[in-house]
Amino acid sequence: DAGVIQSPRHEVTEMGQEVTLRCKPISGHNSLFWYRQTMMRGLELLIYFNNNVPIDDSGMPEDRFSAKMPNASFSTLKIQPSEPRDSAVYFCASSVWTGGHQETQYFGPGTRLLVL
Amino acid sequence: KQEVTQIPAALSVPEGENLVLNCSFTDSAIYNLQWFRQDPGKGLTSLLLIQSSQREQTSGRLNASLDKSSGRSTLYIAASQPGDSATYLCAGGSQGNLIFGKGTKLSVKP
Repeated sequence: DAGVIQSPRHEVTEMGQEVTLRCKPISGHNSLFWYRQTMMRGLELLIYFNNNVPIDDSGMPEDRFSAKMPNASFSTLKIQPSEPRDSAVYFCASSVWTGGHQETQYFGPGTRLLVL
Repeated sequence: KQEVTQIPAALSVPEGENLVLNCSFTDSAIYNLQWFRQDPGKGLTSLLLIQSSQREQTSGRLNASLDKSSGRSTLYIAASQPGDSATYLCAGGSQGNLIFGKGTKLSVKP
């Protein structure tokens, strides 16, 4: 299995531009998570989906952030417009949700975003 | 709201030493407790998952314990090696998601 795939691995953009991050979860996994990691705040959950349905988006910092999961094998996290404080590493993770609890989460390599 | 704390933030030990990393959480109603390893510039690798009904899990030189009543988990690393140098994060699972601590940065000196 290729594991969780994220693209791009690195993104440098200018303030005000739209940024789209992509994730392909592990085949057969039905839960998908988007996290953001910074030195100051550590690893924060932004949003997660079960069976393609957003369950908890309380971690999404502002309306500038949006996430979609149109099918079981693809998700996007979009920032529009981007700001310098959005600079961070964004991780996607997937797992199996059995209805009672989550199994082990598997993380992608992350997208390192720099907004100038 | 679940909060997860890890102490110490950094730890340096000589090779061969046994060591314990600590994790505490505020909400005892967790579904599971997971330990991860993160190497610099890399993603997270799952090490051990302890379900709420379990007390411990073992994998090779690693042993993780869970005490829900006291809100604590420990990760025990036996006979540490330089290759164990990384940041170790614990995460408490509740209602389908994970809340992470800020990690303990471990350095094992040859």
